[in-house]
Amino acid sequence: SQKIEQNSEALNIQEGKTATLTCNYTNYSPAYLQWYRQDPGRGPVFLLLIRENEKEKRKERLKVTFDTTLKQSLFHITASQPADSATYLCASGFQKLVFGTGTRLLVSP
Amino acid sequence: DAGITQSPRYKITETGRQVTLMCHQTWSHSYMFWYRQDLGHGLRLIYYSAAADITDKGEVPDGYVVSRSKTENFPLTLESATRSQTSVYFCASSESSGEDQPQHFGDGTRLSIL
Repeated sequence: SQKIEQNSEALNIQEGKTATLTCNYTNYSPAYLQWYRQDPGRGPVFLLLIRENEKEKRKERLKVTFDTTLKQSLFHITASQPADSATYLCASGFQKLVFGTGTRLLVSP
Repeated sequence: DAGITQSPRYKITETGRQVTLMCHQTWSHSYMFWYRQDLGHGLRLIYYSAAADITDKGEVPDGYVVSRSKTENFPLTLESATRSQTSVYFCASSESSGEDQPQHFGDGTRLSIL
């Protein structure tokens, strides 16, 4: 069955640096990958979607890449801020999304 | 404001009791979903619905019942609650089923079963 994996360890970075989060998928070839942000006590919020034939996609300080050879998507936040601290989830699937367990990002001032 | 609303936000109950979690969306989205989120497992799909009166099982449906008599409501019932059902439950909706469709989530119900 399709599987999505994210690094379960928290990522700690300093304000102003670029955060890079990884999402790996196995046992299938998704046509799209989605990224969500989740704050404590809140539901996930959709951020970005990338198609398999798009190398990268940008939205303000966010950038997502999709490498079908490595079966991987990278999520970058440039010029990170403490307000970017949250858990970031990747997801994929037709009709039923499969989510990764998420990676917690902590941005220190 | 338009959106997706879950109630209650917090619930404590005892094993063996029936409990219903409510979900209401104002977008008229066709698809609605119920997930549970547990440490180490992430979000797991319990049930989903493609339209009123059409529901289907997800990854972890055992012990849960859903119904969808109206497009905007998708209640989730635990018929006889067990401690293993202690979790945070999220409801979500999307316009359609395509892989390119984002899901919109409520803020969850934190359920504790004693």
